[in-house]
Amino acid sequence: QKEVEQDPGPLSVPEGAIVSLNCTYSNSAFQYFMWYRQYSRKGPELLMYTYSSGNKEDGRFTAQVDKSSKYISLFIRDSQPSDSATYLCAHAGNMLTFGGGTRLMVKP
Amino acid sequence: GAVVSQHPSRVICKSGTSVKIECRSLDFQATTMFWYRQFPKQSLMLMATSNEGSKATYEQGVEKDKFLINHASLTLSTLTVTSAHPEDSSFYICSARQGDSTDTQYFGPGTRLTVL
Repeated sequence: QKEVEQDPGPLSVPEGAIVSLNCTYSNSAFQYFMWYRQYSRKGPELLMYTYSSGNKEDGRFTAQVDKSSKYISLFIRDSQPSDSATYLCAHAGNMLTFGGGTRLMVKP
Repeated sequence: GAVVSQHPSRVICKSGTSVKIECRSLDFQATTMFWYRQFPKQSLMLMATSNEGSKATYEQGVEKDKFLINHASLTLSTLTVTSAHPEDSSFYICSARQGDSTDTQYFGPGTRLTVL
């Protein structure tokens, strides 16, 4: 079992939709999680950083960690075509442990 | 936010030659730098971790004699792909971290290597 898992998608939504991206993790000791966005042929860009359980909001983005179910979520409100990218969740330990990434396509 | 640069952004070389890729943290001192490799439509695969002034720690399956990593200063790390072969063609991405494991890793824009 991989330590961090993501559905690869692609996930296709219409512009303006609420997007829910999810990851599961296997190690209950994990506490720090990050969401990165990667456009095609570019390096990953940090979107959100969360610690332990709860929600964190930044503009249209909300990151959520549910430690009881070992579930990490990223919600995007009012999605835009410019949000089309691959979204990577990661556990931050001595090194980043990435999920496989979910491709999101927001259609105008 | 912190900025990490990579140079070159794209390189094409002949089989058997060596290629050097530079990774720089532009506005912070990076005690740790990481090198990743990414194949099309796949996630990032960590190749090695380097701390300034120390030898790099390579992940299992990564040949240290083929992928030479030097982290000579707090703002610069280099990856040299020696005797490159077509199967080394990939997208190489570095990242840099200022502090300990709770600190954020900032990624460079990546280098696309094509070996003919």
